[in-house]
Amino acid sequence: DAKTTQPTSMDCAEGRAANLPCNHSTISGNEYVYWYRQIHSQGPQYIIHGLKNNETNEMASLIITEDRKSSTLILPHATLRDTAVYYCIALTNTGNQFYFGTGTSLTVIP
Amino acid sequence: DAGITQSPRHKVTETGTPVTLRCHQTENHRYMYWYRQDPGHGLRLIHYSYGVKDTDKGEVSDGYSVSRSKTEDFLLTLESATSSQTSVYFCATGSVSGNTIYFGEGSWLTVV
Repeated sequence: DAKTTQPTSMDCAEGRAANLPCNHSTISGNEYVYWYRQIHSQGPQYIIHGLKNNETNEMASLIITEDRKSSTLILPHATLRDTAVYYCIALTNTGNQFYFGTGTSLTVIP
Repeated sequence: DAGITQSPRHKVTETGTPVTLRCHQTENHRYMYWYRQDPGHGLRLIHYSYGVKDTDKGEVSDGYSVSRSKTEDFLLTLESATSSQTSVYFCATGSVSGNTIYFGEGSWLTVV
């Protein structure tokens, strides 16, 4: 599975869009990009995943570059409850070993 | 949320004693995982299972063993607990299709 690189921490103003980047320059053609988040002391929560097309659901949007070497998770209107650690993972659809790394700590500021 | 129950949720034990953490799921998911989480290390995979009696090691498996005799239960055992195993332990499950995994609420283990 490809290694992913994320910034250690980010801040975002409440009500603004939070854009969380992830670099996965060694991703292979059959590896999906997954995003999870973990609110303090809770179990991680699935957000979204995609292969090469942009994806959107009720929580977030995922933008994957055309060369698939990087992606951005977008929280369109960040709230204080979005303060969490966000994890980006690259994984094949037959591989089930999710390796999380240390993620990006997002702080939403009032 | 997937029906995942971890027990115990909190435990304090002494060095050298055996400890077993239980993960119980009601979703009939094939895949189950045990992770530990420590400051500065994020979530690290200990062991995982892809079916009854089928288990494999993750990235930090030393000092831990697992068993899966039923689809719904995945047990993590520390044969002889050490202070370095003080951590928060998370169980997760996943079905074959969709490949998304779901986490339990965690078990806080302190080894003194």
